[in-house]
Amino acid sequence: EDQVTQSPEALRLQEGESSSLNCSYTVSGLRGLFWYRQDPGKGPEFLFTLYSAGEEKEKERLKATLTKKESFLHITAPKPEDSATYLCAVQALGENSGTYKYIFGTGTRLKVLA
Amino acid sequence: DSGVTQTPKHLITATGQRVTLRCSPRSGDLSVYWYQQSLDQGLQFLIHYYNGEERAKGNILERFSAQQFPDLHSELNLSSLELGDSALYFCASSVGDGRGVDTQYFGPGTRLTVL
Repeated sequence: EDQVTQSPEALRLQEGESSSLNCSYTVSGLRGLFWYRQDPGKGPEFLFTLYSAGEEKEKERLKATLTKKESFLHITAPKPEDSATYLCAVQALGENSGTYKYIFGTGTRLKVLA
Repeated sequence: DSGVTQTPKHLITATGQRVTLRCSPRSGDLSVYWYQQSLDQGLQFLIHYYNGEERAKGNILERFSAQQFPDLHSELNLSSLELGDSALYFCASSVGDGRGVDTQYFGPGTRLTVL
């Protein structure tokens, strides 16, 4: 069964304490992997799209990487405003030819303390 | 602000009722996606429309239906509501038809409470 698993479920960091969030996936026909940031009660905000293993993308204090089985979101020297839930999603081939599906992980709740 | 708008922001209704959620995509986007987010289940993909045509279906219940109109706005209809339908409903839009990798931009959501 296709699955996207994020770990840890929750993470507390001190300001400036770098860490990584993990997204592991088991899907057939991965077409793309997405990272989003979601603040409480708001819609997910797009961060990155990764297309193939070995790809890396950076934005400010965030860096996303992709392997054949997982993706990492590295947060360097985080600040309190980085506190949010980070969601990982994959676009994969669907059961029928020419179709596709989107599967989201349940997210990692990040809290950065000042 | 993603440019995707959703109305209403909040909706409170009773079991057995029917409601309609509305979404307007970003200017220039032809695709609209609907998602349900419950506390214990994360974001669940419901359905995708491209330029008025249904393109992909996810875990959408038969009690739920959607359509996309010629002006590209979309409506999600939920009927015979149950307590378990209480959730945040998000709409997202993108430029492409979904067959290529296509970034989705999310709206602010509609919070549905079924009493």
